[in-house]
Amino acid sequence: GQNIDQPTEMTATEGAIVQINCTYQTSGFNGLFWYQQHAGEAPTFLSYNVLDGLEEKGRFSSFLSRSKGYSYLLLKELQMKDSASYLCVPMDSNYQLIWGAGTKLIIKP
Amino acid sequence: IAGITQAPTSQILAAGRRMTLRCTQDMRHNAMYWYRQDLGLGLRLIHYSNTAGTTGKGEVPDGYSVSRANTDDFPLTLASAVPSQTSVYFCASAGDRDTGELFFGEGSRLTVL
Repeated sequence: GQNIDQPTEMTATEGAIVQINCTYQTSGFNGLFWYQQHAGEAPTFLSYNVLDGLEEKGRFSSFLSRSKGYSYLLLKELQMKDSASYLCVPMDSNYQLIWGAGTKLIIKP
Repeated sequence: IAGITQAPTSQILAAGRRMTLRCTQDMRHNAMYWYRQDLGLGLRLIHYSNTAGTTGKGEVPDGYSVSRANTDDFPLTLASAVPSQTSVYFCASAGDRDTGELFFGEGSRLTVL
């Protein structure tokens, strides 16, 4: 079967760094996406990894290890507006996105 | 403003009624999707369309139908609404089916009583 494993909830402090881990199992693999979803809003695209390694985009970085079925999203210099759910979304061999419930990140002052 | 528009934003309707959720995009994207999101669960794909004139069934298609008469519009119809269809519905689009960067509408919150 296809599944995604992420922490349900994490808490971090404003200004700090947080790493959200994700392990996945899919039928084939065509990349992994991270989305951010604020409460009551639609998801928005953050990052895409298809090859192993780190992709950096401003305060956000995403890492992928295909052999381990593992990815993480690193958020630096946390701001209150970063309080949201973060969704790890692999794409399988049929180009279907596999959505889990994500990790709810709570930022405290 | 370029993007994807859904209507209505929110709707309450009686069980057994017919309802169409509208979705329009002006980005000339080929692929369009309808998802539902329930509390504590990930997005579940209802129907999709890889290009105008074609549609396909997703993970939870029962009770829903779609059409794709042109590139811009992708309406979702509930023929006879049931309470289990109470959910938040998101329409999304992507340049092509193999692109995982989806652009989402703001969502339609549907309550079936």
